[in-house]
Amino acid sequence: KQEVTQIPAALSVPEGENLVLNCSFTDSAIYNLQWFRQDPGKGLTSLLLIQSSQREQTSGRLNASLDKSSGRSTLYIAASQPGDSATYLCAVRVSKGKLIFGQGTELSVKP
Amino acid sequence: DAGVTQSPTHLIKTRGQHVTLRCSPISGHKSVSWYQQVLGQGPQFIFQYYEKEERGRGNFPDRFSARQFPNYSSELNVNALLLGDSALYLCASSLGFFQGLNTEAFFGQGTRLTVV
Repeated sequence: KQEVTQIPAALSVPEGENLVLNCSFTDSAIYNLQWFRQDPGKGLTSLLLIQSSQREQTSGRLNASLDKSSGRSTLYIAASQPGDSATYLCAVRVSKGKLIFGQGTELSVKP
Repeated sequence: DAGVTQSPTHLIKTRGQHVTLRCSPISGHKSVSWYQQVLGQGPQFIFQYYEKEERGRGNFPDRFSARQFPNYSSELNVNALLLGDSALYLCASSLGFFQGLNTEAFFGQGTRLTVV
C-alpha cells in the first residue's frame, strides 16, 4: 500500500531564506508526482508536475526533484517571501486516476 | 480562462440528510476526480470519471456516489450524512486519463460541508 510522508509538518523561516521541503513515498511504481500549494480554507494550486521518467522540474523560484528508486522528492524554494506562507502538499499518481497525498508541510515565512 | 468551479462554496446539513455537490472542469478537460479533505490532513481520493465512465473509486461507503454528464461536469452525492462527513470536498480536472502531462490535476476551491 502506497504511503506518502512529508517532513517537517511545519516550518518557520525568516524572509529571504532558501528552504527545502521533503516528500517520501513507499512504492516506486508511480506515474508522476505533483506538488501543490494550499492557502487556509482554499483549494489546491498546482506548482510542479514531475513525470516518473524525469529527475527535476523548475518554475521560477521553485525547483522539484524526484528520485524514484529511493522514493523521495524535494521542493526547493529560493529566496522565500511572506507570500510563500501556505501548506505545501505532495501527491503521487499510483494509477491513472488516483492521487495519494501526504499530510502537508505548513510553511510560515516571517518578514 | 475559467478554472475548475465548484458549487456551493459552503453548505450546512443535518445528520441523515442528502447533499449534492457540483463541479465544472476546465474547458476541454474530460476527466474529473473528487477528493475529501478533513481538517489537518491531505485529501483522500473518492472517485474519478473520464468520458462519463467511472474509472476509479476510493475506500468510501456506498453512501457516496457520483456521475459525469455529457458536458463533462460532475456531481458528487452523499446520502444519510454523518457528522464525520464534515470536510472540504475538492474537485480536480485533467485533460486526459492515460499518461503524461494530460494527467496533471487542477483543483477547484472546494465545497466546505458541515454536518450538524
